[in-house]
Amino acid sequence: GQNIDQPTEMTATEGAIVQINCTYQTSGFNGLFWYQQHAGEAPTFLSYNVLDGLEEKGRFSSFLSRSKGYSYLLLKELQMKDSASYLCAVRDPSGGSYIPTFGRGTSLIVHP
Amino acid sequence: NAGVTQTPKFRVLKTGQSMTLLCAQDMNHEYMYWYRQDPGMGLRLIHYSVGEGTTAKGEVPDGYNVSRLKKQNFLLGLESAAPSQTSVYFCASSYPISLARYGAFFGQGTRLTVV
Repeated sequence: GQNIDQPTEMTATEGAIVQINCTYQTSGFNGLFWYQQHAGEAPTFLSYNVLDGLEEKGRFSSFLSRSKGYSYLLLKELQMKDSASYLCAVRDPSGGSYIPTFGRGTSLIVHP
Repeated sequence: NAGVTQTPKFRVLKTGQSMTLLCAQDMNHEYMYWYRQDPGMGLRLIHYSVGEGTTAKGEVPDGYNVSRLKKQNFLLGLESAAPSQTSVYFCASSYPISLARYGAFFGQGTRLTVV
């Protein structure tokens, strides 16, 4: 089975840094994805980690520790437009499928 | 660039009615997926396809059927709609596992209400 946990909601201030955590318990592991979803819109792909370490893409970075079953998404220089849900998804091939399973998402509210 | 297009965008059904949701992608992706999203539940996989002519069940397949007769299209059918199927439905497509770093591309969603 798979268990993916994220905080339900977080708030942060414009211009600040926020870290959104994702922990997972899976039988196997073959990659972790982060997606952003604005209210009423489709999810959009942010990052992919398959090896331990930090991947940086502009203001967004994603970190993975496979031994700890842990990832985080780091958002720097927060802007109001970063208010959205952030979805963590993990790919576990142990059941024969390489289709990622999503966590319930973290709703981030950025205030002035 | 159209990407992933879903039709219709909104629909209201009466209990027991049937309907088909259409998903079309123009990126030549092998993999296609249907998800439903309910408040507090995240995205749950209904069915998926890893290539033309193939389909497989996901986490919540009951009450739904799918077909992938052409590589670019993935259809989701509701045979006899129930109020529990009121949800937002997302279609997505992606490259195979070897190109996972590009992630999946999602359609704009279909908001379905069953009364």
